[in-house]
Formats: sequence, C-alpha cells, structure tokens
Amino acid sequence: DTAVSQTPKYLVTQMGNDKSIKCEQNLGHDTMYWYKQDSKKFLKIMFSYNNKELIINETVPNRFSPKSPDKAHLNLHINSLELGDSAVYFCASSQEGTALNTEAFFGQGTRLTVV
Amino acid sequence: ILNVEQSPQSLHVQEGDSTNFTCSFPSSNFYALHWYRWETAKSPEALFVMTLNGDEKKKGRISATLNTKEGYSYLYIKGSQPEDSATYLCAFMGYNNNDMRFGAGTRLTVKP
Repeated sequence: DTAVSQTPKYLVTQMGNDKSIKCEQNLGHDTMYWYKQDSKKFLKIMFSYNNKELIINETVPNRFSPKSPDKAHLNLHINSLELGDSAVYFCASSQEGTALNTEAFFGQGTRLTVV
Repeated sequence: ILNVEQSPQSLHVQEGDSTNFTCSFPSSNFYALHWYRWETAKSPEALFVMTLNGDEKKKGRISATLNTKEGYSYLYIKGSQPEDSATYLCAFMGYNNNDMRFGAGTRLTVKP
C-alpha cells in the first residue's frame, strides 16, 4: 500500500491549459503539503494544509490553488499553465503532534512539462 | 524567510571512506530538525527527526548530531557504500511554522 500517492506521475500539456495533480494519503495525517522542485533540485514549499485549512501559502502565483475535498486529499490545481511551471511537484503529509512524530512521507512526484 | 543551508553542495568519496556534512538553520523558534535521504527517481525518505539540543541519532552506519543553540546539525556516514549515494536533505521546523523548510541538499556519490 502506497502511503502517499500522486497522480499522474507524468503530465505533458500545452501552455494556457488548466490541469490538476491529485494527492492522497492513507496515513490518517493531519497536514499535507505541496512542494515544487526547482531547476536546482531544491524543494520549495508551496502550500501547507491542516485539517482542510490552508496554513501556509508561499508566494506562488494565484494560478495555483490547493483543493482539499477531505483530510486524506490535497489536490493541486493550476490555471493558465506557463512554460515556467514545468517542474517536479511533490506532495507530502505529516502528523501534527509532538515534534518527533512530524516526519513527512512523500509521494513519488509528478513531472509537469508545459510545451 | 527561513534560511536552511547545507554544505557541501556535493561530495564524492571512495567506498569505505567516512564522511560528514552540515545543515545550518535558524537557532530561534526551533521545533524540530529532520534529515531525509533522497535517491534519484524516488521520494525523500525520513532518516531522523531531532528535537533536543545535544541529541544524537543513529541508524546503522548513519548518525546525526544536533546543536540548537548555534543552529547546526551534522550527518555522518561511516564506511560509505555505493548504495549510500543519494541527496541528503535537512528540513527545519519552527514553532510558529506548520511546515518543513528544506535545505538545498548535499549530493553524495560513493565510488566503488
């Protein structure tokens, strides 16, 4: 059983399109995240969601919006895709509680290519 | 903006060598420091979660230390093996931030 699963694994789409990346976790975690791996392979946080409430929204364009239908899902919706959006996006989840329990579990990543 | 810095950026060692690298983080508002191992084409996997100043954690040949007062953590690998080749990430969690801030990672290559 995959703890954190993202779909699709690869996504190739044209500029201007709207697309979504889905993320699901079966760990019962409270908090889910979206990270973008930039061109230097750096993991940069985009969003942090806790119990369906947006906690962190880094300076990402408004074209990016997280959607959480329930605690186990945090989908990333992107409007009007641009070439610069091409990257690998990682979903992760962790459990709120004592600091020692907060290790994150990551999905396998979604490689988005905008052409 | 929280700055988490890792050094060196990359490291090449021979099989059998021992090695270490550094993670620097803000010393104020500290909650936890995570180390992750990230192999190419896979997801990052947690190695350690450290919370107490002076803490030492060990898993096999890999160990880590933590100094929260000065804001650094060391990761050590004893007798490196080719399968240790990966990017090692550290992530800082502060009390007021409900997220993990990652460093850029140290890419380790172990040559047979």
